[in-house]
Amino acid sequence: NAGVTQTPKFQVLKTGQSMTLQCAQDMNHNSMYWYRQDPGMGLRLIYYSASEGTTDKGEVPNGYNVSRLNKREFSLRLESAAPSQTSVYFCACRAGTGQETQYFGPGTRLLVL
Amino acid sequence: AQSVTQLDSQVPVFEEAPVELRCNYSSSVSVYLFWYVQYPNQGLQLLLKYLSGSTLVKGINGFEAEFNKSQTSFHLRKPSVHISDTAEYFCAVSTLSSGSARQLTFGSGTQLTVLP
Repeated sequence: NAGVTQTPKFQVLKTGQSMTLQCAQDMNHNSMYWYRQDPGMGLRLIYYSASEGTTDKGEVPNGYNVSRLNKREFSLRLESAAPSQTSVYFCACRAGTGQETQYFGPGTRLLVL
Repeated sequence: AQSVTQLDSQVPVFEEAPVELRCNYSSSVSVYLFWYVQYPNQGLQLLLKYLSGSTLVKGINGFEAEFNKSQTSFHLRKPSVHISDTAEYFCAVSTLSSGSARQLTFGSGTQLTVLP
């Protein structure tokens, strides 16, 4: 079992370019999350999907969109990248009601020039 | 809304010495509490969690934490650290009012550096 996988591991974009960060989990978990990590700020929630077919905004959703493609996959899209979106992005999943632990992927490091 | 404060951004400590990483939270409702560890260039790994019951929680790698409701704290401790414990540690909280989403709110992190 791979757990939570993220692609790509690294990406460099120019301002205005678009890209999609991919996340997949083989844990059969219901809920999935996207966070960004910036120095001195911990992790902040961008979007989440409580279950297949639903998505909701988190603390910092501006400039991002998400798609819960199926139970396994949850993608994050940057339509027009900005330097302020330079960050490390983590995907996480959680089994569901009564299961409180979130499991994290290895992260995608994004640099926007 | 809930918030988490990690009082120390950096904690240097000598090998085999004890360490305490401090975490305070703010919430108007009951909470679940977590400590995660992040090794360089890796994702986050759960160290331990408090959901209910005994306020002293034991985790992996010899770490433990104590939930103190009156002081709204969840400090992480280890009696004797190793070089391999060098990492960044995050305290996080979710509340029972988060519904099915169970959003985590993280502190800003504490970099633990174990010196030989």
